[in-house]
Parts: sequence; structure tokens; C-alpha cells
Amino acid sequence: GENVEQHPSTLSVQEGDSAVIKCTYSDSASNYFPWYKQELGKGPQLIIDIRSNVGEKKDQRIAVTLNKTAKHFSLHITETQPEDSAVYFCAASINRGDDMRFGAGTRLTVKP
Amino acid sequence: GAVVSQHPSWVICKSGTSVKIECRSLDFQATTMFWYRQFPKQSLMLMATSNEGSKATYEQGVEKDKFLINHASLTLSTLTVTSAHPEDSSFYICSANQYNEQFFGPGTRLTVL
Repeated sequence: GENVEQHPSTLSVQEGDSAVIKCTYSDSASNYFPWYKQELGKGPQLIIDIRSNVGEKKDQRIAVTLNKTAKHFSLHITETQPEDSAVYFCAASINRGDDMRFGAGTRLTVKP
Repeated sequence: GAVVSQHPSWVICKSGTSVKIECRSLDFQATTMFWYRQFPKQSLMLMATSNEGSKATYEQGVEKDKFLINHASLTLSTLTVTSAHPEDSSFYICSANQYNEQFFGPGTRLTVL
């Protein structure tokens, strides 16, 4: 089955700096790669996603890149703000809407 | 976007009792819902896929007789933790599928004493 690895487990940056979180996956059949933000005591919220036919996608300060050959994808957050502090999870599934396998999570702290 | 609710948001129970957690899609119908479990500072682990009108599909290692799932309507799936033990204490999160996008509920924190 699919195995998703995520690094780093914790990340601390200064406000205004960029943050990068990386994930690798094992199942070449996976075609959908979402990123979720989870705040304490809440469910995950989708922040951006990418499909295998696209190499990069950007939404304001957030971007995701995908290298399907190498089976890795990354989340990039620019101009970080304290409210970006949360736990971020990458995930992979064969198709959007299918059951997903999650990475271990990255606790991002943005220092003011 | 679509809204998914869970009830209760937290529950404390005694060891050996059963606890039911509800997952509702508030403004849409969902033929498929998913149940996840998340231990402290860990990732979400898929427990089972709940399909309306049919039996749930459980992930390997998840006891179907312990974690009973009922998806009796297009807007409600329930997870019952039977004979709960302290090791079942966790954060249980559901998600509902609309137009091939999963929307997550806020989670239910279960503490078994």
C-alpha cells in the first residue's frame, strides 16, 4: 500500500521567512496530493492540492510542487505569518475523493 | 464549502462502556464517509470507509467488531467504540466526500478512564 513520509517533523521560522515541507510517496498509482492545515483540537483543513498532471500550483502565499518521477512533493509558504503556525499534513491518494494516506505531520511555528 | 459536524466534540467514559460518535454532512449528501484516528502528536490513520447502505470497509488491523460503523443515511455515519479501553483514547475524525473532495469534521476527543 501507499506510504507517505514527511519532513521535517518540526519547523521554526521567523515571521516573513519562507517555510518548506517535503513529502515522498511510494505508490506510483497515486495521482492526487493534498496538503492540510490542522490547528489544535480541530479537524484538518485543505489548503492546497495538486494532481499528477501538474508540476506546480500556487495560491497567493502557498505553492506546491510535484515531481512524479521522483515521487516527491513539497509545500512552500512564503512571507510566513504567526497565524500560519499549525501542524501541516501532506497526503496521497489515487484519485481525489478516495481514501488518503497521510504523512506524519510538520509542526510549523512562526515567530513574530 | 461543505460543512461536516461531529458529535460529541469530546467524551469521557469508563473502561468497558460503549461510546457512539456521530458524523453529519450538514449541507450535502455523502454516499462515502471516512473515519480516521489520530493519537497525540501523530498523523491521521484511516480506520474505515463508510458507505451508505452497505457494510463499511475496514483497514487492516482495525477490529470491525470493536469499531462499529453505521452509515444509515446520506448525511449521517456513526462510529461506536464498543467495550472501550484506555488505549482507545484518541482523537477520532470523520470526513465526508462531496464531488470527490473530502471535507473533515472537527473531531471527537475520546478519553477512556
